[in-house]
Amino acid sequence: GEDVEQSLFLSVREGDSSVINCTYTDSSSTYLYWYKQEPGAGLQLLTYIFSNMDMKQDQRLTVLLNKKDKHLSLRIADTQTGDSAIYFCAESSTTSGTYKYIFGTGTRLKVLA
Amino acid sequence: SAVISQKPSRDICQRGTSLTIQCQVDSQVTMMFWYRQQPGQSLTLIATANQGSEATYESGFVIDKFPISRPNLTFSTLTVSNMSPEDSSIYLCSVEGGQAGSLNTEAFFGQGTRLTVV
Repeated sequence: GEDVEQSLFLSVREGDSSVINCTYTDSSSTYLYWYKQEPGAGLQLLTYIFSNMDMKQDQRLTVLLNKKDKHLSLRIADTQTGDSAIYFCAESSTTSGTYKYIFGTGTRLKVLA
Repeated sequence: SAVISQKPSRDICQRGTSLTIQCQVDSQVTMMFWYRQQPGQSLTLIATANQGSEATYESGFVIDKFPISRPNLTFSTLTVSNMSPEDSSIYLCSVEGGQAGSLNTEAFFGQGTRLTVV
């Protein structure tokens, strides 16, 4: 079945870059997403990438996709304390005609001042 | 975009009781999704609710334990029945949205209901 994996924790110093990695299994995924969850809140879409792209940049965020290795990464430049949150990678998948999202385990990013 | 209001935001319940979580969307949507997020874990899809039909449950989830209502295109409820401490979790309502004419979709989430069963 579909599976999305991430490392559980990442700690960086304020001003450094953060790189959060994700691997997925469903090669038919059309879009891949990064969501952010702050404490006590729901998930908020940060960015997404279409599966025929290698890279997408959006201000401080850079998404890299290696479709051959089924590897997705999110780079946050100049990481700030407000970036501390859990980051979820997700793929959209269609199984037996049903469209759904598969979420990774989430990476807890801690930014040290 | 879609704005989702979910309530209650949190509750502490006695084991053996039931809790109904409400999800209200500010626009009409075809599909609504209910997820569970157990402590320190990712989101697990419980079921998909379409208006006018029975909800479709994922493996490991059954209607008797998690009955769902979907009376119209903007509202749904999830009931957690006969609760045990193992049901302590965050429950999230979600809908799909996207730009008109775009193939892309995005999942929008409510703020979640933090349930603690004692």
